[in-house]
Amino acid sequence: EAQVTQNPRYLITVTGKKLTVTCSQNMNHEYMSWYRQDPGLGLRQIYYSMNVEVTDKGDVPEGYKVSRKEKRNFPLILESPSPNQTSLYFCASSPDLSGAGTDTQYFGPGTRLTVL
Amino acid sequence: KNQVEQSPQSLIILEGKNCTLQCNYTVSPFSNLRWYKQDTGRGPVSLTIMTFSENTKSNGRYTATLDADTKQSSLHITASQLSDSASYICVVNSPSGTYKYIFGTGTRLKVLA
Repeated sequence: EAQVTQNPRYLITVTGKKLTVTCSQNMNHEYMSWYRQDPGLGLRQIYYSMNVEVTDKGDVPEGYKVSRKEKRNFPLILESPSPNQTSLYFCASSPDLSGAGTDTQYFGPGTRLTVL
Repeated sequence: KNQVEQSPQSLIILEGKNCTLQCNYTVSPFSNLRWYKQDTGRGPVSLTIMTFSENTKSNGRYTATLDADTKQSSLHITASQLSDSASYICVVNSPSGTYKYIFGTGTRLKVLA
C-alpha cells in the first residue's frame, strides 16, 4: 500500500532531551516535507527536501534539523526540545514539485508531541 | 506577507444540504491552489488541485472554483453527508524561488443528521 509513515505517533518528552521523529514513504517520491499544526495557525512548513541531500528551510525552521540521506526517509530532529515545540507534526511527500500543479502531496498520519 | 484566508471559520449544516467554503489569497506569484480535507487527528487528504489556468475542478460531490484575477477560490459540497464533517484547508503553492506551500487555517464543517 502506498503510504507515508511516521513514528512515533505520540510522544511526551521533557525539555532538552533530543528526539527524532521518523518519516518514510514507499512511493519513490522526490519531494518530502515536514509541517507543524497548531490551533488557529494552520499547517506551517518546517523544512522540505526536493531530493536526496537537498534540504531547505520552510517558514518555521528554528529548533529543528532534518536530513535526507535516502530517498524514502526524511527524519525530523529536535536537538533540544522546548515547550513551544509542543504540536502536531505531519510529514508529507509528493512525486515532484515542478510547478505544473498536478502533483498530489500525501500526508502521514501525524505525530503528536508534548514537551514538558 | 503571503496569506491564505478562509471563511467561515466553522459551519454547521444538516445532512443533505449544500454548502460553499471560501478561500482568498494574496500569494504571488501563484502556481496552483489545492483543497484538502482533514479529519480530526489525521493527515490532510487532497481533494482538488487547480493551476492558474483552470477555473473549476470536481471530485465527486466536491467542486472547487478558482478566479485567479480576484484571487478567490471556493469549495462547494453537494448533498452533504455525515462523513463530510472535517476541516477543509485551502493551500496555495508559490514557485517563487523556493517551492513553498502556504496553508489557510481551514474551515471546520460539521454535518448533522
